[in-house]
Amino acid sequence: DQQVKQNSPSLSVQEGRISILNCDYTNSMFDYFLWYKKYPAEGPTFLISISSIKDKNEDGRFTVFLNKSAKHLSLHIVPSQPGDSAVYFCAASAGAHSGAGSYQLTFGKGTKLSVIP
Amino acid sequence: NAGVTQTPKFQVLKTGQSMTLQCAQDMNHNSMYWYRQDPGMGLRLIYYSASEGTTDKGEVPNGYNVSRLNKREFSLRLESAAPSQTSVYFCASSIRRANYGYTFGSGTRLTVV
Repeated sequence: DQQVKQNSPSLSVQEGRISILNCDYTNSMFDYFLWYKKYPAEGPTFLISISSIKDKNEDGRFTVFLNKSAKHLSLHIVPSQPGDSAVYFCAASAGAHSGAGSYQLTFGKGTKLSVIP
Repeated sequence: NAGVTQTPKFQVLKTGQSMTLQCAQDMNHNSMYWYRQDPGMGLRLIYYSASEGTTDKGEVPNGYNVSRLNKREFSLRLESAAPSQTSVYFCASSIRRANYGYTFGSGTRLTVV
């Protein structure tokens, strides 16, 4: 059973427009959520995160929204740029409840974003 | 550059051969992880080490062993490689707080024929 779901394998957006990437989760123990960005032949890089005590976190062009009641989060990129073309992974952690305090992450399958110039 | 270093970057093995994937981090992180990424499967946790001297199984540990050699190094061993272990392997580290997320290495692309 997939605890973190990214139902859109791919998304295409025009340069300058908004990109919205969605993520759903099923485990109510998750209390911290992160987005990672991955370019081909590279490791994922941390992009932005949000704690379950917040419903929004913003960092420059990137904003993550969390709807706990719907178990849904989204990443907004405004404006989208060609350099944003990558695979985006949603990840979740049950940090306060993990054994040994390791803060393991559970990842979604990723959404490939293509920003068209 | 500070970060997570993985070696080798590419490897081809024959079925039944063994090998060790090496990982080292220089950020003084306490926790280290091994993930595999397969097409359409996202990243799945193989093993992790919450701190020096401890290791635990993740979601897909079968066929693998790990060693946390010291605080910096965390190796992944395939004792008898199988074609199902063809994948891209990522090592990651974290300070132990979820706030900072993980720092990933650039990956090892392993093919088992």
